[in-house]
Amino acid sequence: AQSVTQLGSHVSVSEGALVLLRCNYSSSVPPYLFWYVQYPNQGLQLLLKYTSAATLVKGINGFEAEFKKSETSFHLTKPSAHMSDAAEYFCAVSDEADQFYFGTGTSLTVIP
Amino acid sequence: NAGVTQTPKFRVLKTGQSMTLLCAQDMNHEYMYWYRQDPGMGLRLIHYSVGEGTTAKGEVPDGYNVSRLKKQNFLLGLESAAPSQTSVYFCASSKGSSGENLFNEQFFGPGTRLTVL
Repeated sequence: AQSVTQLGSHVSVSEGALVLLRCNYSSSVPPYLFWYVQYPNQGLQLLLKYTSAATLVKGINGFEAEFKKSETSFHLTKPSAHMSDAAEYFCAVSDEADQFYFGTGTSLTVIP
Repeated sequence: NAGVTQTPKFRVLKTGQSMTLLCAQDMNHEYMYWYRQDPGMGLRLIHYSVGEGTTAKGEVPDGYNVSRLKKQNFLLGLESAAPSQTSVYFCASSKGSSGENLFNEQFFGPGTRLTVL
């Protein structure tokens, strides 16, 4: 079975600082990987997805993630945090049966 | 397009009561899912459907039933609610992966916050 581990349930960064949210997966090859964002009292929105076309994936709102097969990682980054980035972030992996396995989430706080 | 909608948005039940949560999507998606979200546990799959008339169990199906009589609707039922079912419930849909349509993401509804007293 697939699984996802998100290291750090809470991350705090200063406004303008680098955002790094960690995700490691356990999956058969090829993995189908996603990052979702959840704003308070809302559903999940897709930030980006790994499609195997490129190891560096660019998403919405300036976020990007790099697929590293050797490390089984798919960490999410953003060069400069904005107050509006405060939210819960979920990493997910799906398999060929279209079932999705979500991590437990990382809550991002942005400090002014 | 409305995307994925869920009704109701909030509900409070007493132990033993029953209710049905409705999910509707207007994207002609084949696959639909029901998740529950609890603090510190992420999203856990309750049931899912790969097409009209079909359903399957997910990770935490006990105490829930589902039906997919129409392609656009996916109903989640609680026959006898228990306090352990207090949660936020999310519905999602996707095209499903086939042929060239790999890596299809899920689209989520806004959620239903259910409290069982």
